[in-house]
Amino acid sequence: QQQVKQSPQSLIVQKGGISIINCAYENTAFDYFPWYQQFPGKGPALLIAIRPDVSEKKEGRFTISFNKSAKQFSLHIMDSQPGDSATYFCAASGGFKTIFGAGTRLFVKA
Amino acid sequence: DAGITQSPRHKVTETGTPVTLRCHQTENHRYMYWYRQDPGHGLRLIHYSYGVKDTDKGEVSDGYSVSRSKTEDFLLTLESATSSQTSVYFCAISGGQGASGYTFGSGTRLTVV
Repeated sequence: QQQVKQSPQSLIVQKGGISIINCAYENTAFDYFPWYQQFPGKGPALLIAIRPDVSEKKEGRFTISFNKSAKQFSLHIMDSQPGDSATYFCAASGGFKTIFGAGTRLFVKA
Repeated sequence: DAGITQSPRHKVTETGTPVTLRCHQTENHRYMYWYRQDPGHGLRLIHYSYGVKDTDKGEVSDGYSVSRSKTEDFLLTLESATSSQTSVYFCAISGGQGASGYTFGSGTRLTVV
């Protein structure tokens, strides 16, 4: 089974700090790498995504860094806020196949 | 979530009984998916559909079947529920294949006792 390995499982960050979540994938056929944010009792929501032809994508306080040769990508949340406290999932997609990481539970302390 | 609704939101059922979960979309998207979410496993694909009456298996399809008779509805059936199927089930839709992002429903929490 192809995997997407996500770390850490949980993360505690001070308000205003930088949250960093890492993912690694195996299948080089994947061509779309999204991140989803999930609040308790809700479904995951698409946060930001990147394709392998770029090394970085930034949307507001959220940035994806992508290293194609290492088959790794990461989510950086700048100026983390208590409202960012949620579970974050990375994923890797190709065709009909999307493989999700196991998730990272982020808590931002006020 | 706007454009996609799941029903029921919560269900408790007994082992061995059949259960059907419904996903309804108003976005006219071609692709629909059923995932289950379990702690430590992220989201795992059960079945997906790429058109009316066109479905295929995902990575954890054993014990599940699906049907899609209309673009807007995608049904997930547990033929004979087992305790290992206790989970939160999410439906997702996308306008393209996976490489365009999903919109997820709010989920169905199913407990098999």
